[in-house]
Amino acid sequence: EVQLEQSGADVKKPGESLKIACKGSGYSFTSYWIAWVRQMPGKGLEWMGIIYPGDSDTRYSPSFQGQVTISADKSISTAYLQWSSLKASDTAMYYCARHPVQFSNHPGYFDLWGRGTLVTVSS
Amino acid sequence: DIQMTQSPSTLSASVGDRVTITCRTSQSISSWLAWYQQKPGKAPKLLIYRASSLDSGVPSRFSGSGSETQFTLTISSLQPDDFATYYCQQYNTYSPWTFGQGTKVEIK
Repeated sequence: EVQLEQSGADVKKPGESLKIACKGSGYSFTSYWIAWVRQMPGKGLEWMGIIYPGDSDTRYSPSFQGQVTISADKSISTAYLQWSSLKASDTAMYYCARHPVQFSNHPGYFDLWGRGTLVTVSS
Repeated sequence: DIQMTQSPSTLSASVGDRVTITCRTSQSISSWLAWYQQKPGKAPKLLIYRASSLDSGVPSRFSGSGSETQFTLTISSLQPDDFATYYCQQYNTYSPWTFGQGTKVEIK
């Protein structure tokens, strides 16, 4: 089965670091772009950035550039989203999502989504 | 950045109704637009890509149209399973990708 499995919910304090994971299975992980999307409580969707695991080509939304780091370990078919110093405003659900076209040069939409990882940042 | 204006923000409709949701962009994006459906507590689901292409397995009562700066999502006959929130998303080249604010389709 083709799927994206995300790491479990996490509760952190402001200033702490965090790395959440998204593991792809059932397909060639290195050939498809993976994006990260934020959804704050009761709010809409925000595209954060995207990575091509095959060569780690990474692009960020200006709103998230410098605030998070997106990476991938193709040896274990896993993409990551990490923070070095969390803020309360980072409290949100974070989804990873896959662009459906292999080797795409215009990976803008997403047909396969993980279930989301809820990150809560509270003192 | 490209600004998205999605309307209405809330829509009350009955089963069997024809429903139309509009998405406008602040600049031309050709046909680089997708539509998603999201139910509470669930991940979004792709409905339409490239403005009018139906994703695999999506019922044919869903359709998308438009180009440049104005787009619509139409549900030809609303079904009980369609009550959800719908988002448009532009993915124009060389611009950060952005989502519309969402349209919640409620039972009338």
